[in-house]
Amino acid sequence: QKEVEQDPGPLSVPEGAIVSLNCTYSNSAFQYFMWYRQYSRKGPELLMYTYSSGNKEDGRFTAQVDKSSKYISLFIRDSQPSDSATYLCAMSAITGGFKTIFGAGTRLFVKA
Amino acid sequence: GAVVSQHPSRVICKSGTSVKIECRSLDFQATTMFWYRQFPKQSLMLMATSNEGSKATYEQGVEKDKFLINHASLTLSTLTVTSAHPEDSSFYICSASDPQGGAKTQYFGPGTRLLVL
Repeated sequence: QKEVEQDPGPLSVPEGAIVSLNCTYSNSAFQYFMWYRQYSRKGPELLMYTYSSGNKEDGRFTAQVDKSSKYISLFIRDSQPSDSATYLCAMSAITGGFKTIFGAGTRLFVKA
Repeated sequence: GAVVSQHPSRVICKSGTSVKIECRSLDFQATTMFWYRQFPKQSLMLMATSNEGSKATYEQGVEKDKFLINHASLTLSTLTVTSAHPEDSSFYICSASDPQGGAKTQYFGPGTRLLVL
């Protein structure tokens, strides 16, 4: 079993839709949870960062962490074609020396 | 956010040659840098963790004699692929950890695409 599971998609939605991206994990020691966006042939870009459980909102993006269920989500409201990219969840823990474990990434296509 | 640069962005070389990739943190001092490899449509695979002034820590299965890492300063780490072969062709991405950022996150470079003929 992988430490972090993420559905690779692809996920295709119409413009304006609400997008829900999710990851599950097995290591209860994870405390830091990140979402990265990666455009084709580019390096990942940090989108959201959350420490421990809870919600965090930044513009059209909302990150949720449910540590009891070992489940994290990223919501994108009013999705735009420019949101089309691969979204990677990532997490780390003090016990692991903050080594970051990445999900496989979900490819998102937002159609105009 | 913090800026990390990589050079070159793309390199094509002949089999048997060595290739050096540079990773620089432009606006912060990075005591730790990471090197990843990414195959098409796959996630990032951590190759090694580079600490300034000390030897790199390699992940299991990564040949340290083939992938030489040097972290000579707080803003520069280099990855040298020695005696490159076609199977080394991949997308190499570095990241730098900003200890002053208030969070244990990494900032990624734009990546280097290596093609070995």
